[in-house]
Amino acid sequence: SQQGEEDPQALSIQEGENATMNCSYKTSINNLQWYRQNSGRGLVHLILIRSNEREKHSGRLRVTLDTSKKSSSLLITASRAADTASYFCATDAGTGKTGANNLFFGTGTRLTVIP
Amino acid sequence: ETGVTQTPRHLVMGMTNKKSLKCEQHLGHNAMYWYKQSAKKPLELMFVYNFKEQTENNSVPSRFSPECPNSSHLFLHLHTLQPEDSALYLCASSQDWDRGSYEQYFGPGTRLTVT
Repeated sequence: SQQGEEDPQALSIQEGENATMNCSYKTSINNLQWYRQNSGRGLVHLILIRSNEREKHSGRLRVTLDTSKKSSSLLITASRAADTASYFCATDAGTGKTGANNLFFGTGTRLTVIP
Repeated sequence: ETGVTQTPRHLVMGMTNKKSLKCEQHLGHNAMYWYKQSAKKPLELMFVYNFKEQTENNSVPSRFSPECPNSSHLFLHLHTLQPEDSALYLCASSQDWDRGSYEQYFGPGTRLTVT
């Protein structure tokens, strides 16, 4: 399967702590993306890391990618109650037809940040 | 998130009904996608359209019929559904992959309940 798998399935932390979520996948990728979903809503793109990159930052987010281990991690620093959501990794193997990309999502990590 | 709209937001239908889900994107994107999100399962890619042409159909039952009249609108026609089809149906769009734009923008979803 091309789908990513997130770990842990659920994570509960205190506000101000850091949250780390991991993603493993099985095939070669063009890029890996992280999305966030508030309960019952659409997904919001957070950050993309290309296969030739090892680390990327965006605000309080830090993503790492290890293509040799086929794994990625998302770190949210100084978490806030508003960060409570589900987080998904999505792999893009570049298998889509011209112009469209097929993303393969995992089941997500449910993050709860306690005020 | 507001660049992609979906209607209706909630839908309850019987197994013999016929209904349609609508998606509209205001982002000038070329590709549009339908996903199904069921509890505790990975997001499932159903259909992909690029420049109005269907490029992917991931073995979706014929009771789901997509329609893409133009690059901004995408429909999912439903008939003779089963209770297991109850899920959150998400629409997404993306810019041309060949231009190096890989992220997808999601609508808020339609929560479908089949009774």
